[in-house]
Amino acid sequence: AQSVTQLDSQVPVFEEAPVELRCNYSSSVSVYLFWYVQYPNQGLQLLLKYLSGSTLVKGINGFEAEFNKSQTSFHLRKPSVHISDTAEYFCARMDTGRRALTFGSGTRLQVQP
Amino acid sequence: GAVVSQHPSRVICKSGTSVKIECRSLDFQATTMFWYRQFPKQSLMLMATSNEGSKATYEQGVEKDKFLINHASLTLSTLTVTSAHPEDSSFYICSAVGAGSNYGYTFGSGTRLTVV
Repeated sequence: AQSVTQLDSQVPVFEEAPVELRCNYSSSVSVYLFWYVQYPNQGLQLLLKYLSGSTLVKGINGFEAEFNKSQTSFHLRKPSVHISDTAEYFCARMDTGRRALTFGSGTRLQVQP
Repeated sequence: GAVVSQHPSRVICKSGTSVKIECRSLDFQATTMFWYRQFPKQSLMLMATSNEGSKATYEQGVEKDKFLINHASLTLSTLTVTSAHPEDSSFYICSAVGAGSNYGYTFGSGTRLTVV
């Protein structure tokens, strides 16, 4: 089965510091990749997605991610975080022939003042 | 942008009763809807995929007679948890995607089900 691995369950960071949330995926011929954010007791909001084209993808709220096929990674980055970025972040994939998303285990980003 | 409304946001029911959760696409036609279950501090696990007008496809290990999914129109899908038990307590989230949406999955705000 195709998988998504988020190695960091929690990432504490100080406000205004840069952050990187790691995501690796099992190799596939064709894969689309997504990052979502979830605030407590809420659904998921799309941050960004990679379907094709430029490997550097810019999303909302100042987030960006880079698709690296050789390392099968899709790490999420933000140069300067805010307290309001504290949330759960999920990396997800969609494979050809299967429309549903497969999610990683999530990373809790905790921004401290 | 696309909006998916999910109701109720919270529900408490007694063991043995049934609960219905609704998921509506407000400004687009959802050709496909997905139902996920999320346990505390865990990821989303796909329960089933439903296409408008056809039977839902359930993931392995999900009891289709317990989790009834109906997708009768392009804007509404329902999940009914039948004869609920405490172990069914969880956070349920729906997601919808329209035709030609370029993989724009829109999620509902989730339903916290507590079975007592």
